[in-house]
Amino acid sequence: DTGVSQDPRHKITKRGQNVTFRCDPISEHNRLYWYRQTLGQGPEFLTYFQNEAQLEKSRLLSDRFSAERPKGSFSTLEIQRTEQGDSAMYLCASSTRQGINYEQYFGPGTRLTVT
Amino acid sequence: DAKTTQPNSMESNEEEPVHLPCNHSTISGTDYIHWYRQLPSQGPEYVIHGLTSNVNNRMASLAIAEDRKSSTLILHRATLRDAAVYYCIPTTYGNKLVFGAGTILRVKS
Repeated sequence: DTGVSQDPRHKITKRGQNVTFRCDPISEHNRLYWYRQTLGQGPEFLTYFQNEAQLEKSRLLSDRFSAERPKGSFSTLEIQRTEQGDSAMYLCASSTRQGINYEQYFGPGTRLTVT
Repeated sequence: DAKTTQPNSMESNEEEPVHLPCNHSTISGTDYIHWYRQLPSQGPEYVIHGLTSNVNNRMASLAIAEDRKSSTLILHRATLRDAAVYYCIPTTYGNKLVFGAGTILRVKS
């Protein structure tokens, strides 16, 4: 298994445009998480899925953000009408129960720059 | 979510042990203590976790205070590749991770 992959790795967009990011988790991992990280800060939780069900959303996730995991495999995170404050690294992680542990495996992230 | 307090930064010499402390005085009885680290330009990676007893794995050891209000991550022989931001995260299994600012570990050769 090659681990969690994210696409694209970098995205530059103009304010007001829509962007979509993709995350491919480790196969058979039933949980998938999205986090956002700005420079010098730790990652902040955005949302997570168990299979195709979105079980929790952070208050950070405004109406402009939407995430899906339609078949319980890959996930997409869409940001509509981007703002400069959306510039950040968007991280995806996946996990599954191994014994009693839910170790999260992170992807390399998608760096978004809004100009 | 339990609040954590970690030093902003620490420095170590290569090949020497490093003790990274974390205070989590508001930890709940069901929270496990997880440690993750983030190397430069990478996503975080799992290091170790524990509940009450001290734990060892190939990467590190975790010493947990008897009252569970603090813990210490121990790297037995720091290498340059251990230079990273280390996060202490109390959480219930399967839940989201709530990251603080972490400790920046610098390793000198």
